[in-house]
Amino acid sequence: AQSVTQLGSHVSVSEGALVLLRCNYSSSVPPYLFWYVQYPNQGLQLLLKYTTGATLVKGINGFEAEFKKSETSFHLTKPSAHMSDAAEYFCAVASPSGGSYIPTFGRGTSLIVHP
Amino acid sequence: DTGVSQDPRHKITKRGQNVTFRCDPISEHNRLYWYRQTLGQGPEFLTYFQNEAQLEKSRLLSDRFSAERPKGSFSTLEIQRTEQGDSAMYLCASSAGLAGNNEQFFGPGTRLTVL
Repeated sequence: AQSVTQLGSHVSVSEGALVLLRCNYSSSVPPYLFWYVQYPNQGLQLLLKYTTGATLVKGINGFEAEFKKSETSFHLTKPSAHMSDAAEYFCAVASPSGGSYIPTFGRGTSLIVHP
Repeated sequence: DTGVSQDPRHKITKRGQNVTFRCDPISEHNRLYWYRQTLGQGPEFLTYFQNEAQLEKSRLLSDRFSAERPKGSFSTLEIQRTEQGDSAMYLCASSAGLAGNNEQFFGPGTRLTVL
């Protein structure tokens, strides 16, 4: 079984401030981990993913995430928030199950950026 | 390629009516997924196809739901005898290859409202 917990349904930051969106996962086997972003009235877009290898993963738009196995976490960060970062962010975990990797998504965190 | 497209973008129907949604994946993507997303939640897996074969179905997919991908290209999702609880955003995604770490590309979704 796999699950994802995103702490905080809403995160509010000022423009230029650090962005930290938290994600903890549960998986019985080494998982693949993903962060997606969803802008209003649009589909989800992949920000970054962890599969194997380097635990610090860099994605698009200046975002990065670090896989910490001991903490079962995959938090998303960005050093300096921009107004255009305001969106819904989803963490997802995918573990092999019968040969398929069906992702389980968290409930999402809404990022609000204040000028 | 213009990405994953879904039609219609919005559908309003009365309880008890049947509805059908269409998804056109990215060309040559052999996997196609259907998800349901309700307000304040992340996408929930419904079913997926590998080419024309429907390989997995979620318990969320009741007998009133049926999905097809007859030629391994576009897919349809039909809901029979719609209920108010079916109101949600229905998302389609596609991916290339068979590996679980392959990125899923999402369409913009079809928003269903059942009155």
